Amino acid sequence: NAGVTQTPKFQVLKTGQSMTLQCAQDMNHNSMYWYRQDPGMGLRLIYYSASEGTTDKGEVPNGYNVSRLNKREFSLRLESAAPSQTSVYFCASTTSESLYEQYFGPGTRLTVT
Amino acid sequence: AQSVAQPEDQVNVAEGNPLTVKCTYSVSGNPYLFWYVQYPNRGLQFLLKYITGDNLVKGSYGFEAEFNKSQTSFHLKKPSALVSDSALYFCAVRPYGNKLVFGAGTILRVKS
Repeated sequence: NAGVTQTPKFQVLKTGQSMTLQCAQDMNHNSMYWYRQDPGMGLRLIYYSASEGTTDKGEVPNGYNVSRLNKREFSLRLESAAPSQTSVYFCASTTSESLYEQYFGPGTRLTVT
Repeated sequence: AQSVAQPEDQVNVAEGNPLTVKCTYSVSGNPYLFWYVQYPNRGLQFLLKYITGDNLVKGSYGFEAEFNKSQTSFHLKKPSALVSDSALYFCAVRPYGNKLVFGAGTILRVKS
C-alpha cells in the first residue's frame, strides 16, 4: 500500500517549457488535490477534483491545468513554465469516510530558471 | 472569508519543557480542525483532528490539541518536548465541502 505517490521528485525547467506532474493514490479515495508550498505562505490549493470526472479551481489556478485521468490518478500540467512557478508541489487525497483527513505525497521540487 | 492564522513563525523550546503551537481560525458553523507535521524534504503527515465531542483531542507522537469555540482556537500542545519534534507544523480547517484551508505554518525548534 504505497499511499500517494508523485513523480518526478525533482525537476528543473527553463522558462517557457512545459511539463506534467503525476500523482497516483491506491487508497480508493474520491477526492484529490494539488497544492503548492512557498516559504511563509503555507499550502495554497491550485486545483482539486472532488470525484472522478470533475475538477475545480482552487486559490491559485493561473498557469496550470489538471486532468483526473481515473479514480487513482490526478495530473498537473504547466503549459509554459514561469519563474514564479518555482515551488514545491504536493498532491493529496481524501474521502468523506476519513472525515476529510488528507493524505499527502512526498512532493515535487520544481525550479524554473 | 474562511482563514487560519498561526501567529508565530517560529517557536523555540528546550527539550523536556512543554510546548504550545498556536492556531486560530475564522470559519462560520462547526468546522473540522486538523494539525499536520512536515519534516524536512517530506510530505505532510497527519497528527490529529477535531470533529466534535471532547474539546481535548489526542494524536500521534504524544501531541494533543484543545478546541476552544469561544476563542476560535485550536492550539497544539505536548507536555514534554523532544528534539525529534523539531519540524514545521500546519494547522488546517475544513469550513465545508471537501477542501481544507491551511495556515502559513510554524517552525518548532526543540533544543537539547
